[in-house]
Amino acid sequence: DTAVSQTPKYLVTQMGNDKSIKCEQNLGHDTMYWYKQDSKKFLKIMFSYNNKELIINETVPNRFSPKSPDKAHLNLHINSLELGDSAVYFCASSQALPSYEQYFGPGTRLTVT
Amino acid sequence: QKEVEQDPGPLSVPEGAIVSLNCTYSNSAFQYFMWYRQYSRKGPELLMYTYSSGNKEDGRFTAQVDKSSKYISLFIRDSQPSDSATYLCAMSASQNAGGTSYGKLTFGQGTILTVHP
Repeated sequence: DTAVSQTPKYLVTQMGNDKSIKCEQNLGHDTMYWYKQDSKKFLKIMFSYNNKELIINETVPNRFSPKSPDKAHLNLHINSLELGDSAVYFCASSQALPSYEQYFGPGTRLTVT
Repeated sequence: QKEVEQDPGPLSVPEGAIVSLNCTYSNSAFQYFMWYRQYSRKGPELLMYTYSSGNKEDGRFTAQVDKSSKYISLFIRDSQPSDSATYLCAMSASQNAGGTSYGKLTFGQGTILTVHP
């Protein structure tokens, strides 16, 4: 009965590859987010979707493309991976927008070699 | 200068101590203030949420906001080893639909806290 789940949990890949991270929430929430947490623990928002509509699109390289097939899913596709993309990526959801109570997934630890 | 500054610590205290965690910020538009707790290898979870200035208490936790000083605090009384985690402050501006900051949380770096028995 996991609330927000992400797959995979760990992802090790080489520079130049393309990879996807999947996120699903079973809380019935309308809004989902992608965050990036770097090695110094800074947590920065990348994207937010509300009812499948892109609401927040921070200054993120266009190699990153979010896709929301439905309200319960938000995937992140990354093209041409670079060393600097190594980080922990968190998916989160909230009941509505705006909401300060965001429920985070366990994170996907991406390592680019 | 980052919008939200938080001392990363680490902070190590004995069990039972009172812990004080702080953040300062520069954006005067911030009106919503949160503290999230993140255990090792886990996602953050909301601990406390306050709107505008003032205090809020929840069990052993007290959150304070001083908007005039652009300073927020989290106090933990009678700290326990289970409180060992990273504590992240987060803030959000006035929420106008369609605005570029709509729904956006800005986080501090997080303070690593260890409470030893």
